[in-house]
Amino acid sequence: GAGVSQSPSNKVTEKGKDVELRCDPISGHTALYWYRQSLGQGLEFLIYFQGNSAPDKSGLPSDRFSAERTGGSVSTLTIQRTQQEDSAVYLCASSLGVGLDTEAFFGQGTRLTVV
Amino acid sequence: AQSVAQPEDQVNVAEGNPLTVKCTYSVSGNPYLFWYVQYPNRGLQFLLKYITGDNLVKGSYGFEAEFNKSQTSFHLKKPSALVSDSALYFCALSNDMRFGAGTRLTVKP
Repeated sequence: GAGVSQSPSNKVTEKGKDVELRCDPISGHTALYWYRQSLGQGLEFLIYFQGNSAPDKSGLPSDRFSAERTGGSVSTLTIQRTQQEDSAVYLCASSLGVGLDTEAFFGQGTRLTVV
Repeated sequence: AQSVAQPEDQVNVAEGNPLTVKCTYSVSGNPYLFWYVQYPNRGLQFLLKYITGDNLVKGSYGFEAEFNKSQTSFHLKKPSALVSDSALYFCALSNDMRFGAGTRLTVKP
Protein backbone atom coordinates (compact mmCIF):
# COMPACT_ATOMS: atom_id res chain seq x y z
CA GLY A 1 0.00 0.00 0.00
CA ALA A 2 0.91 3.65 -0.24
CA GLY A 3 1.16 4.32 3.46
CA VAL A 4 1.71 2.68 6.83
CA SER A 5 -1.24 0.49 7.68
CA GLN A 6 -2.20 -0.51 11.22
CA SER A 7 -4.82 -2.99 12.27
CA PRO A 8 -7.16 -3.11 13.97
CA SER A 9 -8.00 0.57 14.13
CA ASN A 10 -9.89 0.01 17.36
CA LYS A 11 -9.67 -2.80 19.86
CA VAL A 12 -11.66 -3.27 23.04
CA THR A 13 -10.47 -6.11 25.22
CA GLU A 14 -11.12 -7.42 28.67
CA LYS A 15 -8.51 -7.06 31.36
CA GLY A 16 -6.24 -10.07 31.42
CA LYS A 17 -6.63 -10.98 27.74
CA ASP A 18 -3.78 -10.92 25.24
CA VAL A 19 -3.88 -8.60 22.21
CA GLU A 20 -1.89 -8.39 18.99
CA LEU A 21 -1.46 -5.15 17.10
CA ARG A 22 -0.25 -5.21 13.54
CA CYS A 23 1.79 -2.74 11.51
CA ASP A 24 2.38 -3.00 7.77
CA PRO A 25 5.11 -0.49 6.79
CA ILE A 26 5.68 1.23 3.50
CA SER A 27 7.29 -1.15 1.04
CA GLY A 28 11.07 -0.82 1.04
CA HIS A 29 11.26 0.83 4.47
CA THR A 30 13.77 -1.06 6.56
CA ALA A 31 13.15 0.88 9.79
CA LEU A 32 9.97 0.44 11.81
CA TYR A 33 9.04 2.18 15.06
CA TRP A 34 6.37 1.63 17.71
CA TYR A 35 5.07 4.34 20.03
CA ARG A 36 2.33 4.65 22.63
CA GLN A 37 0.30 7.80 23.09
CA SER A 38 -2.10 8.35 25.95
CA LEU A 39 -4.99 10.73 25.34
CA GLY A 40 -3.59 14.02 24.03
CA GLN A 41 -0.19 13.32 25.49
CA GLY A 42 3.30 12.87 24.12
CA LEU A 43 4.77 9.94 22.26
CA GLU A 44 6.23 7.21 24.41
CA PHE A 45 8.90 5.39 22.41
CA LEU A 46 8.54 1.61 22.71
CA ILE A 47 10.87 -0.09 20.24
CA TYR A 48 12.38 0.17 16.80
CA PHE A 49 13.46 -2.37 14.22
CA GLN A 50 16.19 -2.09 11.65
CA GLY A 51 15.27 -4.96 9.37
CA ASN A 52 14.19 -7.76 11.66
CA SER A 53 16.50 -6.70 14.46
CA ALA A 54 15.46 -4.70 17.54
CA PRO A 55 18.71 -3.45 19.11
CA ASP A 56 17.09 -1.80 22.13
CA LYS A 57 14.08 -3.21 23.91
CA SER A 58 14.41 -1.07 27.02
CA GLY A 59 11.49 1.15 25.98
CA LEU A 60 8.95 -1.63 26.35
CA PRO A 61 6.97 -0.81 29.52
CA SER A 62 7.03 -4.31 31.02
CA ASP A 63 7.71 -7.93 30.17
CA ARG A 64 4.07 -8.24 29.14
CA PHE A 65 4.99 -6.32 25.98
CA SER A 66 6.83 -7.92 23.11
CA ALA A 67 7.33 -7.10 19.45
CA GLU A 68 8.60 -8.93 16.44
CA ARG A 69 9.18 -8.29 12.81
CA THR A 70 9.56 -10.97 10.21
CA GLY A 71 10.73 -10.77 6.62
CA GLY A 72 11.72 -7.16 7.14
CA SER A 73 8.11 -6.14 6.68
CA VAL A 74 5.09 -6.63 8.94
CA SER A 75 5.52 -6.15 12.67
CA THR A 76 3.32 -7.24 15.54
CA LEU A 77 3.19 -5.76 19.01
CA THR A 78 1.81 -8.20 21.55
CA ILE A 79 0.51 -7.26 24.97
CA GLN A 80 -0.10 -10.16 27.31
CA ARG A 81 -2.46 -10.08 30.27
CA THR A 82 -3.67 -6.58 29.42
CA GLN A 83 -4.22 -4.06 32.19
CA GLN A 84 -6.35 -0.92 32.19
CA GLU A 85 -3.23 1.25 32.13
CA ASP A 86 -2.39 -0.25 28.74
CA SER A 87 -5.30 1.70 27.24
CA ALA A 88 -3.82 4.13 24.73
CA VAL A 89 -3.27 4.70 21.03
CA TYR A 90 -0.45 2.61 19.67
CA LEU A 91 1.30 4.23 16.71
CA CYS A 92 3.59 2.67 14.18
CA ALA A 93 5.91 4.47 11.79
CA SER A 94 8.39 3.44 9.13
CA SER A 95 11.30 5.07 7.35
CA LEU A 96 13.94 4.16 4.78
CA GLY A 97 16.41 3.41 7.54
CA VAL A 98 17.44 4.25 11.07
CA GLY A 99 19.65 7.31 11.37
CA LEU A 100 19.10 8.48 7.82
CA ASP A 101 18.06 11.94 6.70
CA THR A 102 14.60 10.81 5.63
CA GLU A 103 11.41 11.33 7.58
CA ALA A 104 9.22 8.69 9.17
CA PHE A 105 5.68 8.06 8.01
CA PHE A 106 3.02 7.26 10.57
CA GLY A 107 0.02 5.00 10.52
CA GLN A 108 -3.32 6.10 11.91
CA GLY A 109 -2.81 4.06 15.06
CA THR A 110 -4.67 1.39 16.98
CA ARG A 111 -6.84 2.66 19.80
CA LEU A 112 -6.72 0.04 22.55
CA THR A 113 -9.27 0.09 25.33
CA VAL A 114 -8.95 -2.36 28.21
CA VAL A 115 -12.16 -2.78 30.18
CA ALA B 1 23.04 9.92 25.20
CA GLN B 2 21.43 11.39 22.11
CA SER B 3 18.14 13.12 22.76
CA VAL B 4 15.83 16.02 22.03
CA ALA B 5 13.97 18.16 24.53
CA GLN B 6 10.99 20.45 24.23
CA PRO B 7 11.09 22.74 27.25
CA GLU B 8 7.53 24.06 26.94
CA ASP B 9 4.44 21.89 27.41
CA GLN B 10 2.17 24.63 26.16
CA VAL B 11 2.52 27.72 23.98
CA ASN B 12 -0.28 30.25 23.58
CA VAL B 13 -0.27 32.96 20.94
CA ALA B 14 -2.80 35.31 19.43
CA GLU B 15 -3.78 34.88 15.81
CA GLY B 16 -1.57 36.98 13.53
CA ASN B 17 1.33 37.07 15.98
CA PRO B 18 4.58 35.20 15.35
CA LEU B 19 5.01 31.85 17.04
CA THR B 20 8.01 29.88 18.25
CA VAL B 21 8.04 26.31 19.50
CA LYS B 22 11.36 25.38 21.07
CA CYS B 23 13.48 22.27 20.67
CA THR B 24 17.01 21.55 21.87
CA TYR B 25 19.10 18.52 21.07
CA SER B 26 22.05 16.56 22.34
CA VAL B 27 23.97 14.45 19.84
CA SER B 28 27.49 13.53 18.89
CA GLY B 29 28.25 14.46 15.32
CA ASN B 30 25.93 16.21 12.92
CA PRO B 31 22.23 15.83 13.66
CA TYR B 32 19.30 15.20 11.39
CA LEU B 33 16.37 17.00 13.03
CA PHE B 34 12.68 16.86 12.25
CA TRP B 35 9.43 18.56 13.19
CA TYR B 36 6.06 16.81 13.10
CA VAL B 37 2.55 18.05 13.80
CA GLN B 38 -0.48 16.22 15.14
CA TYR B 39 -3.82 17.89 14.55
CA PRO B 40 -6.74 16.84 16.81
CA ASN B 41 -7.89 13.28 16.10
CA ARG B 42 -5.41 12.88 13.27
CA GLY B 43 -2.10 11.11 12.72
CA LEU B 44 1.33 12.67 12.84
CA GLN B 45 2.45 14.58 9.78
CA PHE B 46 5.95 15.57 8.77
CA LEU B 47 6.53 19.34 8.67
CA LEU B 48 10.20 19.89 7.87
CA LYS B 49 13.73 18.64 8.46
CA TYR B 50 17.28 19.85 8.79
CA ILE B 51 20.01 17.79 7.18
CA THR B 52 22.83 20.15 6.30
CA GLY B 53 23.44 23.49 4.66
CA ASP B 54 21.21 26.51 5.18
CA ASN B 55 20.33 26.93 8.84
CA LEU B 56 16.85 28.19 8.00
CA VAL B 57 14.63 25.40 6.77
CA LYS B 58 11.23 25.99 5.22
CA GLY B 59 8.44 23.46 5.45
CA SER B 60 4.73 22.85 5.07
CA TYR B 61 1.91 25.26 6.01
CA GLY B 62 4.26 28.28 6.16
CA PHE B 63 6.39 26.90 8.98
CA GLU B 64 10.15 27.25 9.15
CA ALA B 65 12.80 26.21 11.62
CA GLU B 66 16.18 27.62 12.50
CA PHE B 67 19.08 25.30 13.22
CA ASN B 68 21.59 26.79 15.67
CA LYS B 69 24.63 24.62 16.26
CA SER B 70 26.17 26.77 19.00
CA GLN B 71 22.94 26.71 21.01
CA THR B 72 22.07 23.13 19.98
CA SER B 73 18.58 24.26 19.10
CA PHE B 74 16.10 23.72 16.30
CA HIS B 75 13.17 26.03 17.03
CA LEU B 76 10.03 25.95 14.92
CA LYS B 77 8.69 29.31 13.80
CA LYS B 78 5.91 30.94 11.84
CA PRO B 79 5.67 34.68 11.14
CA SER B 80 1.88 34.89 11.53
CA ALA B 81 -0.07 32.26 13.46
CA LEU B 82 -3.47 30.95 12.40
CA VAL B 83 -6.15 29.44 14.63
CA SER B 84 -5.87 26.32 12.46
CA ASP B 85 -2.22 25.92 13.57
CA SER B 86 -3.48 24.81 16.98
CA ALA B 87 -2.08 21.31 17.41
CA LEU B 88 0.53 19.18 19.14
CA TYR B 89 4.08 19.66 17.81
CA PHE B 90 6.95 17.23 18.17
CA CYS B 91 10.61 17.47 17.32
CA ALA B 92 12.66 14.36 16.67
CA LEU B 93 16.22 13.21 16.17
CA SER B 94 16.72 10.78 13.36
CA ASN B 95 19.18 8.38 14.98
CA ASP B 96 16.29 6.22 16.19
CA MET B 97 13.32 8.59 15.83
CA ARG B 98 12.87 9.34 19.50
CA PHE B 99 10.63 12.33 19.96
CA GLY B 100 10.49 15.21 22.38
CA ALA B 101 7.61 15.31 24.84
CA GLY B 102 5.58 17.53 22.57
CA THR B 103 4.34 21.11 22.80
CA ARG B 104 0.69 21.97 22.59
CA LEU B 105 0.24 25.13 20.56
CA THR B 106 -2.97 27.08 21.02
CA VAL B 107 -3.68 30.03 18.74
CA LYS B 108 -6.50 32.25 19.97
CA PRO B 109 -8.59 34.45 17.67
